[in-house]
Amino acid sequence: SAVISQKPSRDICQRGTSLTIQCQVDSQVTMMFWYRQQPGQSLTLIATANQGSEATYESGFVIDKFPISRPNLTFSTLTVSNMSPEDSSIYLCSCCRDPTRDEQFFGPGTRLTVL
Amino acid sequence: GENVEQHPSTLSVQEGDSAVIKCTYSDSASNYFPWYKQELGKRPQLIIDIRSNVGEKKDQRIAVTLNKTAKHFSLHITETQPEDSAVYFCAATPGTGFQKLVFGTGTRLLVSP
Repeated sequence: SAVISQKPSRDICQRGTSLTIQCQVDSQVTMMFWYRQQPGQSLTLIATANQGSEATYESGFVIDKFPISRPNLTFSTLTVSNMSPEDSSIYLCSCCRDPTRDEQFFGPGTRLTVL
Repeated sequence: GENVEQHPSTLSVQEGDSAVIKCTYSDSASNYFPWYKQELGKRPQLIIDIRSNVGEKKDQRIAVTLNKTAKHFSLHITETQPEDSAVYFCAATPGTGFQKLVFGTGTRLLVSP
């Protein structure tokens, strides 16, 4: 499986500020995904980060709130903008190493608390 | 879009018993069904998966079955051990969304010694 790291592992932020989360993979991957896991809940896909093109957002998530970058095949960032306490969640990136296979592996997550 | 339902939400068993978690999906074009185990404070770990052209798959004490006609799939854990205690999530890849995953709501499994 791919080795995936995320920074920061956790953060406490003030309402109205923004936080950028980084996701690094140890090899080139075609697809990278960003998920949100609210406390005690399941995982919800925010967007698919495509290298060389705009991210594809799921229903209920918009680029102004969650801008995503994918500058190369090993790295992506997710920004949580103008945060409110409702954004307190774990944010996880994931990827599929092989574009012909479906297995997804997750990063360790970023635990965000918004005060 | 795809909707995945998962039952039960909690499951308590005695060590050595079997545990079964069930999921249903709505998109008949879905073709990939992984199961993840998430321990407290950890990332989800892929434990087994099945594709739509297979009815059953086993890996030691865990197995997954798929019924495409009924659009449901199940995780079976035999000879449960306390270290199996975790939250288990099923997921499905919608037919229209390559490699993206729609998750079930999760099952908290507690295995008592």
